[in-house]
Amino acid sequence: GESVGLHLPTLSVQEGDNSIINCAYSNSASDYFIWYKQESGKGPQFIIDIRSNMDKRQGQRVTVLLNKTVKHLSLQIAATQPGDSAVYFCAESSPETSYDKVIFGPGTSLSVIP
Amino acid sequence: SQTIHQWPATLVQPVGSPLSLECTVEGTSNPNLYWYRQAAGRGLQLLFYSVGIGQISSEVPQNLSASRPQDRQFILSSKKLLLSDSGFYLCAWSVGPGGMVFFGQGTRLTVV
Repeated sequence: GESVGLHLPTLSVQEGDNSIINCAYSNSASDYFIWYKQESGKGPQFIIDIRSNMDKRQGQRVTVLLNKTVKHLSLQIAATQPGDSAVYFCAESSPETSYDKVIFGPGTSLSVIP
Repeated sequence: SQTIHQWPATLVQPVGSPLSLECTVEGTSNPNLYWYRQAAGRGLQLLFYSVGIGQISSEVPQNLSASRPQDRQFILSSKKLLLSDSGFYLCAWSVGPGGMVFFGQGTRLTVV
């Protein structure tokens, strides 16, 4: 479900290191997942998506891993840069609602230490 | 290309006053439209979504309502604001089922 009442978990990484942001989802019927990046005072922006027929998808410096067995999603950012500092959200949708309903996870705040 | 417009960017309203936030999408037809709210330092809560004109799905019972009078227009309203309505309101759209969601720049509402 939505954990909107919780404060955001935080992750601090050194510039140049790899970051791993995790997300657990609860609806086993969800089969489309998206990662978003939200910078302060702005709306979230699309990073990468993955469908359940895949367990890994790579983009530019980012990789999303999907483990349907344990309902877990992760976003890996390679060679983290100061500009990667932001809040990261995973989102899920399912055929149960014709993919019309898009639910976001609680988010993780990533801080990059120069 | 598609664009989403949401206004105003910031709003300060007294308790008990009405609210109307407007969102319009350009460059697409029959989009899914969404209203989310984000409290300070917290996650995104889905408030309403719409798959067509006049079709509104409400996710959380609260002091707010939504309307979609035109295909690409989505309005968030309240008759009487509460202090707890303060937050960052985000309008979003998607091309349809299974599509990625695109967000507007948000409205920061402070109820005083």
